[in-house]
Amino acid sequence: DSGVTQTPKHLITATGQRVTLRCSPRSGDLSVYWYQQSLDQGLQFLIQYYNGEERAKGNILERFSAQQFPDLHSELNLSSLELGDSALYFCASSEAGTPISSGNTIYFGEGSWLTVV
Amino acid sequence: AQRVTQPEKLLSVFKGAPVELKCNYSYSGSPELFWYVQYSRQRLQLLLRHISRESIKGFTADLNKGETSFHLKKPFAQEEDSAMYYCALNAVSTGFQKLVFGTGTRLLVSP
Repeated sequence: DSGVTQTPKHLITATGQRVTLRCSPRSGDLSVYWYQQSLDQGLQFLIQYYNGEERAKGNILERFSAQQFPDLHSELNLSSLELGDSALYFCASSEAGTPISSGNTIYFGEGSWLTVV
Repeated sequence: AQRVTQPEKLLSVFKGAPVELKCNYSYSGSPELFWYVQYSRQRLQLLLRHISRESIKGFTADLNKGETSFHLKKPFAQEEDSAMYYCALNAVSTGFQKLVFGTGTRLLVSP
């Protein structure tokens, strides 16, 4: 168990709808990252938050947004859903804003399976 | 631009055979590279980081800056090694760091 918790595990929704995916980082971790894993695109970095502030943006669509709350949990909001948004969405966390240097490690949650029908 | 390339989508070998999962990168700075493993759509787990120069579960990977490669190797594959393997690059952009992943290689080890 990595300590990163994601809910829901599975979600099926219709096109045009909006969903919210939730992530609780490991205790003490200030950084949260969101990744999208789909069959055709592989693992894509979406966005990173550090201590409540946006730190880095990747290939995140304008229909998607995220935030990190004062208790450090994060939510990824997906709106106007399309069939192509069906994917496994991973949250990850690390202690610092720099995920890899000085021994910092990025830990992944089990992911939230989103199916858009 | 930062890019990680894993040319093989699937690598199928027999148990006991050597394995080499290829990874090439494109990065203008000093690279930090990693291998992550994902078993049956579970969470990604860190397998190796090049700065540690370690061997985990019999796997090793050497950073070759001349060839911009970080291939993952194991001399004798085991069935439990069957999984998705992702090569990742720590990329720095405008002061921020993020992991850039390759598209992954599925390793299938048959008995």
